[in-house]
Amino acid sequence: QSVLTQPPSVSAAPGQKVTISCSGSSSKTGNNYVSWYQQLPGTAPKLLIYENNKRPSGIPDRFSGSKSGASATLGITGLQTGDEADYYCKTWDSSLSAVVFGGGTKVTVL
Amino acid sequence: QVQLVESGGGVVQPGRSLRLSCAVSGFIFGTYGMHWVRQAPGKGLEWVAVIWYDGSDKYYADSVKGRFTISRDNSKNTLYLQMNSLRAEDTAVYYCARGVGMVVAGDAFDIWGQGTMVTVSS
Repeated sequence: QSVLTQPPSVSAAPGQKVTISCSGSSSKTGNNYVSWYQQLPGTAPKLLIYENNKRPSGIPDRFSGSKSGASATLGITGLQTGDEADYYCKTWDSSLSAVVFGGGTKVTVL
Repeated sequence: QVQLVESGGGVVQPGRSLRLSCAVSGFIFGTYGMHWVRQAPGKGLEWVAVIWYDGSDKYYADSVKGRFTISRDNSKNTLYLQMNSLRAEDTAVYYCARGVGMVVAGDAFDIWGQGTMVTVSS
């Protein structure tokens, strides 16, 4: 059981929007930055969002991040078949003095 | 270009040791914190350990504390993970990743290696 809670899966048709939640507590997502990672099948994870809502260069603006209280959200608009992947949130847990990942969310494009 | 290349994985018996390496190129290694992250077959990502840019501080996941040791040699641009007393549940792909920002504020893993597979089996 992961310290950060994500839905196991989400799905939508091409062109639609999906959101993925990541919930923790004040010692985790509440007080620290959240980042998001995309892992395509058979590949290493890739940074999508850092410091809650910033995109690295090269990441399209279809991907967005937000945080409110102890919960963070990843949004993907204009869904494409190439977005089918596992998505993970991550932060620092101040009470554990450890990095924590969410359990991952599989995005399926219908 | 910026690159992380892991090596040292393989098949090892329970209770034995293995040392992973992560060779870095394309950036000033000694200015970044570095992490090890693993992924068991069919499972999610699990953070393993972090080391500060100068090696002055280290943190570990409870699952590996006391058995694994993270270290670095900034003169060789290489990160290491010494894994002792290996167990079947340590079987995973091990990734090294560069951290950007303050570790204790939630740094971002902006560069990842391709991973190296470790299988613990008799």
